Formats: sequence, structure tokens, C-alpha cells
Amino acid sequence: EVQLVESGGGVVQPGGSLRLSCTASGFTFHHSNMHWVRQAPGKGLEWVALVNGDSSATDYAASVKGRFSISRDNSKNSLHLQMSSLRSDDTALYYCASGMTARLIDYWGQGTLVTVSS
Amino acid sequence: DVVMTQSPLSLPVTLGQPASISCRSSQSLLYSDGNTYLNWFQQRPGQSPRRLIYQVSNRDSGVPDRFSGSGSGTDFTLKISRVEPEDVGIYYCMQGTDWPPSFGQGTKVEIK
Repeated sequence: EVQLVESGGGVVQPGGSLRLSCTASGFTFHHSNMHWVRQAPGKGLEWVALVNGDSSATDYAASVKGRFSISRDNSKNSLHLQMSSLRSDDTALYYCASGMTARLIDYWGQGTLVTVSS
Repeated sequence: DVVMTQSPLSLPVTLGQPASISCRSSQSLLYSDGNTYLNWFQQRPGQSPRRLIYQVSNRDSGVPDRFSGSGSGTDFTLKISRVEPEDVGIYYCMQGTDWPPSFGQGTKVEIK
């Protein structure tokens, strides 16, 4: 059974930083592309970032480019999102998601909540 | 960026009756490899999204056969042949053909 478990969310002040993590199991992690997708309270889904299987390629939504950094550790089946210069509009539930190709999202975690507030 | 537009945004349905959700993209979703990367996700209240349909019409394992997807180019449809109580939630289309990936606004399905 595929499992994606996010952690690291919390309350942070505007301008602050936070590092999210996702631990994966139940599939061949190093073969999978990994995404972060977020959902602001009561709103829809917004794709945030992607890293491919061997970390040779990453990409970001325009709204987070230059502030967020996605990475993975295949030896630990883990995915990370380093977020800096956080703004109030970054407040959201952040989901970790897997995809057999970069153009597909297959499975989702349960999400971790990030609240940016003073 | 590709804009995905869903309609309706709210869909009250009677149990046992069919339901249909439309998703239109601002440009063709046919990719150069011949595939069309249009997916449908269901998000039940308080839960994470779950994929129902990938590449227009392929149903995921464990998804009831009352769910079906169709379409091509820029126009796509998700149909529920007979709505059940557990189908209540928000349905999202998502395209992966053009970069960056993008989602529709979501369609809220509720029971009348």
C-alpha cells in the first residue's frame, strides 16, 4: 500500500522559514517523480513544485520560485520542501504527491498545515 | 499557462441519478507523445484528493465503474452513472500536458 506522510507544518511569521518533509513507502520511491501541491483554506488545488527521480530536474510554480526549494533523499525515501520568505498567501495545507511520470499525479499524502501569521 | 475551467461549480444531485461535470482547457491537451494528460480527482470532505481517472478515460484501481471519463482536445467530461452517498465531495480536473500542471476550480457535488 502506498503511503505518503507529511510533517513539519506549523505557524510561522511573515518572512520566516519552514522545512516540510514527506516519508514515502509502498512503492519504488527512486523511480517516482514527486510533487508538492497546496490548498489554501476553503480553496482549490495549486501545484507548487516537482523533483524527478534522480533529482536532476526540479521545477516550481511562479508564485514560489526563488523562495522554495524541493529536494529528495532516495536513501531515506524522503521528500522535502524548504520554504523561505514566507507570506500570508502561502498559508495552506501542503500535500506531498507521487507520479510515475512528471505529467501524472498518482497518490497523495494527508497534508501538513502551514500558517503564516504574525 | 493552461487555464482549466470546470462547470458547474456546484452540482446538487438526487441519489441514484446521473451526474456530469465538464472541464475545458484553454489549449489542446494532446501531448507530442500521443497521450492526453487529463486527470480527475475526488476530494471527499476532510480527506486528501484521490485520483479517479487518468489520461482522460482510464479508471484507477478500486474506482467504481459508475465513474467514467471522456473527451479530447480541450473538452472533457466526468460522468457518474448513478450517484451514491459516498460520492459527495469536490471533483477536480488536472492537466499535465503543458507546464506547469494546473487544476480546475473544482465542482462540489452534493445530495439534494
